[in-house]
Amino acid sequence: DQQVKQNSPSLSVQEGRISILNCDYTNSMFDYFLWYKKYPAEGPTFLISISSIKDKNEDGRFTVFLNKSAKHLSLHIVPSQPGDSAVYFCAAALYNNNDMRFGAGTRLTVKP
Amino acid sequence: DAGVIQSPRHEVTEMGQEVTLRCKPISGHNSLFWYRQTMMRGLELLIYFNNNVPIDDSGMPEDRFSAKMPNASFSTLKIQPSEPRDSAVYFCASSLSGTGDDEQFFGPGTRLTVL
Repeated sequence: DQQVKQNSPSLSVQEGRISILNCDYTNSMFDYFLWYKKYPAEGPTFLISISSIKDKNEDGRFTVFLNKSAKHLSLHIVPSQPGDSAVYFCAAALYNNNDMRFGAGTRLTVKP
Repeated sequence: DAGVIQSPRHEVTEMGQEVTLRCKPISGHNSLFWYRQTMMRGLELLIYFNNNVPIDDSGMPEDRFSAKMPNASFSTLKIQPSEPRDSAVYFCASSLSGTGDDEQFFGPGTRLTVL
């Protein structure tokens, strides 16, 4: 049962342009959402998060948007850089629960 | 801190053999998680511990899988007997408090290949 879905397995963008990674979830009880970034041969690392009481959170070039009514969140990277090339995992969780659910990941390639 | 440590980094074994994966969480972290990454399903939570106690093992695929955390600084994930479909990357992660808004720190993973 995939409670968190990333329907695009891959995305390719040009350096300097915007990258938009999308994520959908099915469980309306989730109240915290996170994005993790993973380079080859390394474990995922935390990138940015958002609470369900917000609809936007920004950290430098990274912005996460949350649309609770649509059960959809997205990660925007502006401007994209070649070093952003990695697999990005979307995750959803409950505040009082350790059970974090991850999507299948989207492989982002930023071309110079 | 060295971060979450996993061993071995790579494991190649034959079907039917027992496999033991090891994890050392970040010192002071109270929660530990085992994940499996596959191409089809991405990162799946297998089991997690709070203060060394298994809380939810509903993600463990079969009885062939078992996990233990004998103390705060060590955990194992065992597969016995192993099968080719168990081939995947297994990640261990730890977090300070284990609540949903708490960042999880992942180890580098163990790539398991079962022939």
